[in-house]
Amino acid sequence: AQSVSQHNHHVILSEAASLELGCNYSYGGTVNLFWYVQYPGQHLQLLLKYFSGDPLVKGIKGFEAEFIKSKFSFNLRKPSVQWSDTAEYFCAGYSGTYKYIFGTGTRLKVLA
Amino acid sequence: NAGVTQTPKFQVLKTGQSMTLQCAQDMNHNSMYWYRQDPGMGLRLIYYSASEGTTDKGEVPNGYNVSRLNKREFSLRLESAAPSQTSVYFCASSEGDWGTEAFFGQGTRLTVV
Repeated sequence: AQSVSQHNHHVILSEAASLELGCNYSYGGTVNLFWYVQYPGQHLQLLLKYFSGDPLVKGIKGFEAEFIKSKFSFNLRKPSVQWSDTAEYFCAGYSGTYKYIFGTGTRLKVLA
Repeated sequence: NAGVTQTPKFQVLKTGQSMTLQCAQDMNHNSMYWYRQDPGMGLRLIYYSASEGTTDKGEVPNGYNVSRLNKREFSLRLESAAPSQTSVYFCASSEGDWGTEAFFGQGTRLTVV
């Protein structure tokens, strides 16, 4: 990916609501995409990644993402969020020249 | 099983002071990175080292220098700190190849007054 964009900057949900966070990437040939999560005061942790194979990728903590090549999208989903999912979420792509390109992040707040 | 270790965790500098942020990884990764994180701007790459002995500029290199001391260690130096360098700095490492992810340190919160 040459660039990665996230359009939702802040999202507020109630517990048990479904989540979908958008991520779009610019075409750059081979596609290698990631979702990271950053809990308050902590470092980034990998949620899931896509490189090849099944476009529906399942990650940790019940998260999944779907790679849709025709839409240049890699949206993150979770059927039912919990208060502990409150965090900032980053979409990222590998550029193929040793670099990882990050989106601007989406702050998710889950209300108990 | 330390992963990526950064020091210090917090630092306050006066404008014009210098300092070095240290980073070490124990995963035998080839590539290492320094990012800065600012509100609303995500993570921006400062410098990276594709492999031992090489370093390259990222998106925002001005005001910084780096040293890849060996395969394990990658330091970031601020020669003359400015308030615009107030940020959270993250070091990361990876295999540096398709299909592999970056692993991050705990971050350094730097304030320049």
